[in-house]
Amino acid sequence: DTAVSQTPKYLVTQMGNDKSIKCEQNLGHDTMYWYKQDSKKFLKIMFSYNNKELIINETVPNRFSPKSPDKAHLNLHINSLELGDSAVYFCASSQGISGTSEQYFGPGTRLTVT
Amino acid sequence: ILNVEQSPQSLHVQEGDSTNFTCSFPSSNFYALHWYRWETAKSPEALFVMTLNGDEKKKGRISATLNTKEGYSYLYIKGSQPEDSATYLCAPLTPSYIPTFGRGTSLIVHP
Repeated sequence: DTAVSQTPKYLVTQMGNDKSIKCEQNLGHDTMYWYKQDSKKFLKIMFSYNNKELIINETVPNRFSPKSPDKAHLNLHINSLELGDSAVYFCASSQGISGTSEQYFGPGTRLTVT
Repeated sequence: ILNVEQSPQSLHVQEGDSTNFTCSFPSSNFYALHWYRWETAKSPEALFVMTLNGDEKKKGRISATLNTKEGYSYLYIKGSQPEDSATYLCAPLTPSYIPTFGRGTSLIVHP
């Protein structure tokens, strides 16, 4: 009965590889987000999608490509992984795009690039 | 992206103490503000969403106020308990719905 789930929880990979992180929510929300927690522990928004449409793209390198097959899923694909991509990535969801609804976060995916 | 300051950075209190912390943000370009509670090894949990100047929200022993004209929000915890130990994050949003998270206030409540 997990509200927002992410897989995998941990991901260790080498530089140059391509990897994906999956996110699913069963709350019936129509907006989903990806956040990156950087090395200084700040949470920064990367993307948001509303009903499968891109709403926010916060100057993320184009090696990062979000894909939303339906409004319950927002996957993050990363090409040509770099050392600096190592971080914890959080998915979240909310109802509506206006930012006036609570966001529900997934458990996070810790990505380590070696 | 907004310039968001949270203070203090960390706080140690005794069980039963009441406490408060501050989130400061630019008063221009403000749309809404979220408060989150983030326990170690867990994910952020939404506490409040605030939009109007003078808003006050309450959830149990935790409450928050918002002053959009001067650009700050206070979070209050009454009668702190050890289970309140967590990092409290604020995230004001711009009118284009982009949140900027503060560094957070780390609260430790000693039994």
